[in-house]
This record gives sequence, structure tokens and C-alpha cells, in this order.
Amino acid sequence: NAGVMQNPRHLVRRRGQEARLRCSPMKGHSHVYWYRQLPEEGLKFMVYLQKENIIDESGMPKERFSAEFPKEGPSILRIQQVVRGDSAAYFCASSLGTGVTETQYFGPGTRLLVL
Amino acid sequence: GDSVTQMEGPVTLSEEAFLTINCTYTATGYPSLFWYVQYPGEGLQLLLKATKADDKGSNKGFEATYRKETTSFHLEKGSVQVSDSAVYFCALSRDDKIIFGKGTRLHILP
Repeated sequence: NAGVMQNPRHLVRRRGQEARLRCSPMKGHSHVYWYRQLPEEGLKFMVYLQKENIIDESGMPKERFSAEFPKEGPSILRIQQVVRGDSAAYFCASSLGTGVTETQYFGPGTRLLVL
Repeated sequence: GDSVTQMEGPVTLSEEAFLTINCTYTATGYPSLFWYVQYPGEGLQLLLKATKADDKGSNKGFEATYRKETTSFHLEKGSVQVSDSAVYFCALSRDDKIIFGKGTRLHILP
């Protein structure tokens, strides 16, 4: 059973370009979460999605960031007009269900570098 | 709001030493508590978890006990190995998100 998959593993963008990060959850998981890890920091929650629905986006910056989890295909985190401060590791996690006892399983992350 | 505080690193130990990484939390209600480990260049792996007070999570020789009275979830291992070198994150679950501490970097010397 493959784990959570993310691609690309590394992404370099120049300021003003768009970044698209992809996440395929574990087989059978329909709950996807995105987290951001700044250098030397812990992970910060960004958004929680189920198929075709955004459930909680309380951690998403109000501008330039968007996320989707379509009926078919991976979840996408999109960052428009990237700035240097967007440089970070972005981790996706998935879970089978929801609730405080549910375990989230993390992917290997996408490391975004904005030049 | 809810938060997790863990001891700052780096922590450097010799192989076979005893390890403790302190973690305390602030939360309303009864969150689940987790320890995740991040090896260099990799994502987070769940190390262990506890879902209610007095539960003990354990895995790969690591243990942590959910202490409601002291709001703590300290990570321990009796004899560390070089391969345990990594960053360790204490975390709690709140609604549908996980709240992480800042991480503790652990170096084990041969």
C-alpha cells in the first residue's frame, strides 16, 4: 500500500511565477491536509479538504494561495505570484476518517525555493 | 489557543544514552497527542500516539505517557542509537488539524 505521494519533491520558481504542488493521498483516504514548514520551524496547518470540498482553510493566506481536491486526481496546492517568503517545505497528509483520534499520514514534502 | 511547547535543541547524546525530550501542551478538552519524527530530507513519520489520559504510546523503543495532570507527553528512550538522529515533533490534534511544536533536533554520537 503506497503512502502519501507528493510531487515534485523540489521546485524552484522565480518571483512572480506560479507554483503547483500535487498530493496523492493513501489508497482509501478521502481526507487531505496541507501544512507548511518554514526553516527551523514546526509545521503549520494550512487547509483541510475532502473530495470536491474545502472543509477548513483557516490557515491559508488570504491572497495568492488556493487548494483543491477534485473528484478525480490529486489534490493541488497552488501559489500564484510567488514571493521569497513562500520558500518553505509544503507537506500533505491524508487520513481515513476524521476526528481527534484519527491519524494523519504525511508525504515526503515539496521543497519550494523562490529566487 | 491550543499550543505545544517542547524543549529546544539541539540535543546531543552518546550512543546508548538515555533520552528524554520534554513536551507540554495547552488545550481545551481532551486532544490526542503525537510524536512525529523527521529524518533529514524526508517527511514526517508518526512515531507514537496516545488518545486519552494515562495512555502510553510506544514504538521502536520510544515511549510517551499522556499526563493530563501535568499536561505533558514527554518522549523517552532507554538506549539511543546513531540511527535515531532526527528532528522530533510533539503534536496534538484539534478538530481536524494537528498543532505542532517547533521540533527538537537530536544528534547521537557513535
